[in-house]
Amino acid sequence: AQTVTQSQPEMSVQEAETVTLSCTYDTSESDYYLFWYKQPPSRQMILVIRQEAYKQQNATENRFSVNFQKAAKSFSLKISDSQLGDAAMYFCAYRPIIQGAQKLVFGQGTRLTINP
Amino acid sequence: DTGVSQNPRHKITKRGQNVTFRCDPISEHNRLYWYRQTLGQGPEFLTYFQNEAQLEKSRLLSDRFSAERPKGSFSTLEIQRTEQGDSAMYLCASSLVVHEGGYTFGSGTRLTVV
Repeated sequence: AQTVTQSQPEMSVQEAETVTLSCTYDTSESDYYLFWYKQPPSRQMILVIRQEAYKQQNATENRFSVNFQKAAKSFSLKISDSQLGDAAMYFCAYRPIIQGAQKLVFGQGTRLTINP
Repeated sequence: DTGVSQNPRHKITKRGQNVTFRCDPISEHNRLYWYRQTLGQGPEFLTYFQNEAQLEKSRLLSDRFSAERPKGSFSTLEIQRTEQGDSAMYLCASSLVVHEGGYTFGSGTRLTVV
């Protein structure tokens, strides 16, 4: 079974600093997507960044970037220049690229606190 | 387009009662998903539709749960004979068939069974 593990239940960082959230996953598939979602206190899940497993280049979206290590099955999220609005639950998620596979498998989440 | 809309936002019900939640996806999205999220956990997949067809159901979706998407637009999730263990946030999301990757989520319906 495919699983996603986030080993850091909580993280905190000073405003303007950089923080890295960890995620590992287990799968026997070779092609898949990986995602980081942000869930602010208002509860709506927002897609932060996406990585296709067949791409070696790490995805980047403004202050958000990932370190994708396919062999190690690791997918960490780096947030640079942290802002107060980055405070939220962050979920790592996985989806295989195979016919009929539509569900996302989520990790347990990491609560990120930004200290002013 | 106002995104994915879920109603109600909150529902408190007594154990044993039936409840129904509604999800209105983004209008051009033909895939619709239901997830359940308990406190401190990540969302867990329940079921998904492509247009009006329900294509996959999780084992989490017991026979007390039923979901419909009658005209391929909005969807309803009904829970019969609610139990305290059903208390959770129920999330709806939608996507396009050919969209590579993430979904658009609604704000969820928080169910409390007392």
